[in-house]
Amino acid sequence: ETGVTQTPRHLVMGMTNKKSLKCEQHLGHNAMYWYKQSAKKPLELMFVYSLEERVENNSVPSRFSPECPNSSHLFLHLHTLQPEDSALYLCASSQGGTASSYEQYFGPGTRLTVT
Amino acid sequence: KNQVEQSPQSLIILEGKNCTLQCNYTVSPFSNLRWYKQDTGRGPVSLTIMTFSENTKSNGRYTATLDADTKQSSLHITASQLSDSASYICVVNPSGGSYIPTFGRGTSLIVHP
Repeated sequence: ETGVTQTPRHLVMGMTNKKSLKCEQHLGHNAMYWYKQSAKKPLELMFVYSLEERVENNSVPSRFSPECPNSSHLFLHLHTLQPEDSALYLCASSQGGTASSYEQYFGPGTRLTVT
Repeated sequence: KNQVEQSPQSLIILEGKNCTLQCNYTVSPFSNLRWYKQDTGRGPVSLTIMTFSENTKSNGRYTATLDADTKQSSLHITASQLSDSASYICVVNPSGGSYIPTFGRGTSLIVHP
């Protein structure tokens, strides 16, 4: 495997379910990100993990919970989601510790549908 | 409020033709501006990055311009190919330690044979 991989690629879940999205980067990077991409809306940065520090967008609801056990793996735990959470969830990684200075490499995304 | 506006929202051109996509922003303080290409079903891929002091940067058939005074950027695609069909996203990053970039909604480009 090369680059940034995400699993599953597609997920359908009910509002009472608990699920997790997984991201793995094979690039030796030390920063990882979660983005939400909704139809007709701009990409929205949700969380950043950089050198074991976590930065989050304060507008992200608490039903989304990230976990970064090491620099190569990133999870997004989902619970009691709402239909408006249906979107494409993209993971990215970069060499450095800030979103602005380094190119981010994106995974293919997980298409999430909440019913 | 930081904003990035892209135009047009969508564009259809014939193969071989040129086109220009626009990006206007209000992000301040400014660090850099990136153009990404996102193919259907894939994550975005960076095309160019422009910093405050750069006016023009090329990457093959893609040429980006930046006017930091008017806070405008453009992406010019020369001799379009069918594989250029994608969404092109403008992203502006702030300076001053903030990790939160501002994304545009993207321009959907369709190249017809």
